[in-house]
Parts: sequence; structure tokens; C-alpha cells
Amino acid sequence: DAEITQSPRHKITETGRQVTLACHQTWNHNNMFWYRQDLGHGLRLIHYSYGVQDTNKGEVSDGYSVSRSNTEDLPLTLESAASSQTSVYFCASSATGQGLALYEQYFGPGTRLTVT
Amino acid sequence: GQQVMQIPQYQHVQEGEDFTTYCNSSTTLSNIQWYKQRPGGHPVFLIQLVKSGEVKKQKRLTFQFGEAKKNSSLHITATQTTDVGTYFCAGPLTGGGNKLTFGTGTQLKVEL
Repeated sequence: DAEITQSPRHKITETGRQVTLACHQTWNHNNMFWYRQDLGHGLRLIHYSYGVQDTNKGEVSDGYSVSRSNTEDLPLTLESAASSQTSVYFCASSATGQGLALYEQYFGPGTRLTVT
Repeated sequence: GQQVMQIPQYQHVQEGEDFTTYCNSSTTLSNIQWYKQRPGGHPVFLIQLVKSGEVKKQKRLTFQFGEAKKNSSLHITATQTTDVGTYFCAGPLTGGGNKLTFGTGTQLKVEL
């Protein structure tokens, strides 16, 4: 069965370190997304990609970067981790919608990141 | 900027009571999606509404899209403990494409 996985599931890192969170999907979806979830803020879009070599900034992209070298993977990098980046991170993927409708997004299990 | 708000933020109900969450957008939406996130889990897609005034049902869940396509609601009849979780609405972000902006969510707790 197709799936979307994230690793690690839990990560503790120190302020200033570079951290990379992995996201891998086997749906063969062109669209991939990274969100962070914090209490009181719901899900906020960090970066997204509509295909290989395509990356775009979302609502809260400062301090984060992504790269898309193949269809399956969209790793999220925190260049220099800050305590404000302590959060739960979700990766999602979707097919491309047509007209007014969009396809549903499939979410990974999440990565809980703590920056000390 | 574009905002999608949900009310209430929290709701505690007794099992068997009804529950409604409301979603309001600052802009007209071409479509709206609803997701459910169980405690400790990840969001899971429930449904998408596209047409003005559209109503869709999934067993005890009823979803509505407003006539002006700026608001939506999710109503659960006779809640069960399996309904516990946070319900999010989501609409397309301004600028087109497949990216979504999520509402703030309504956390539902069901007590026996």
C-alpha cells in the first residue's frame, strides 16, 4: 500500500544546530507540503513543492529550507535551530486537482522536534 | 492576509449529544475540505465541498458549505467516544495551486 513516512519521529536538538527532517511518499504525488502544528495556531504551511526541482515558501518559511530532487522525498532543513521552532512537523502529499476541486492531502505521522 | 477561523476552539459534550463546529473565511473559497486529527495522530481527510450551498452527509456527520462560499459547518449527531479529536477546515490559499490554509481547529471531547 502507498504511504507517507517521516523520520525521525522524535528529535531533541540544541539551539544553533542544523537539523533535517525526512519525508518520503510512495503515492507518486507531485505535490508535497511541510506544516508545523502549535497549540492555538492549527497547521501552518512552511514550504511546498509541486514537482521535482520546484520549491516554494509558505506562510512561515523563515529559518527553513527544502529541496526536491525526486518525486518521493521532500526533506525539511532547519538551518540553525531556534527554541521557537520547537513544534510538531507534518509532511503531506497530494495529487494535482482540476477545476475548483483539489485532491485530499495525505499526512505523515509527524515529527516532534524539541530545540533546547 | 487570508484567514480561516473556527469556533468554538474547544467543546466538551456528553456522549449522545450533538456537536457543531463553524468555519469562517475572510475570502471566498473555491472549495473547502475537512480533516479530523485524533489525539496524538495526524490529520485525516474527511470530505471536500465545492458547490455553493452544498450539503454532504457521512453517517452521523453533516457538512455544509455556505451560499457565499465563505463559511462552512460540520455537525455530528449523537456523538460517540470515537468522535474525539480535533476537526479542521481548510481552504485553498490565495494564489492558486494545491496549497491549503487550515483553520484553527475545534477540539472535541466526549464524556461518557
